[in-house]
Amino acid sequence: AQSVAQPEDQVNVAEGNPLTVKCTYSVSGNPYLFWYVQYPNRGLQFLLKYITGDNLVKGSYGFEAEFNKSQTSFHLKKPSALVSDSALYFCAVRGRDNYGQNFVFGPGTRLSVLP
Amino acid sequence: EPEVTQTPSHQVTQMGQEVILRCVPISNHLYFYWYRQILGQKVEFLVSFYNNEISEKSEIFDDQFSVERPDGSNFTLKIRSTKLEDSAMYFCASTRTGGSPEQYFGPGTRLTVT
Repeated sequence: AQSVAQPEDQVNVAEGNPLTVKCTYSVSGNPYLFWYVQYPNRGLQFLLKYITGDNLVKGSYGFEAEFNKSQTSFHLKKPSALVSDSALYFCAVRGRDNYGQNFVFGPGTRLSVLP
Repeated sequence: EPEVTQTPSHQVTQMGQEVILRCVPISNHLYFYWYRQILGQKVEFLVSFYNNEISEKSEIFDDQFSVERPDGSNFTLKIRSTKLEDSAMYFCASTRTGGSPEQYFGPGTRLTVT
């Protein structure tokens, strides 16, 4: 069975500082990995994905994530946080070995960037 | 860029009523999904649909729920006899093929059951 853990419910960071939102996953076989962001009363907005190739993936709004197969992690990072980055962040995994398989989302991490 | 659309954006209904949430997936996509997010909580898989039948469903997707592709463009989620705990954001998603890595999500329908 697939699962995703986001060990921190809340991450607080000062504006201008680097941020990290953690994600670990469990899936049989090789994963597809995704990060989505949700602003209040809005839908899911795609940030970035890991499919194959380079373990460091760059996405929207200056975010990046590093796929670490040995640690089964896919942490989201940004070198310099903005107040406007404050939102709810979801990590998601999808197994690539089962056709048509659904996403499994993590519980979400609320990021607060303080001015 | 093509996108998944959902209507309505917000639906308010009374407990016990039936609601139909509508989605228009991306036109050349073949696999369709519904997810639910109770306010501020985890996004949960409900059901996947391919070739006019359910391919997978979660334990949340009980007899109260049904899905349909009534024509070539719409994909609907029907909730019979709504309960207060059905209040949530409902997201539709689609993929071009089952092997495609990415699902494209719609903006969601917020369902409020009073």
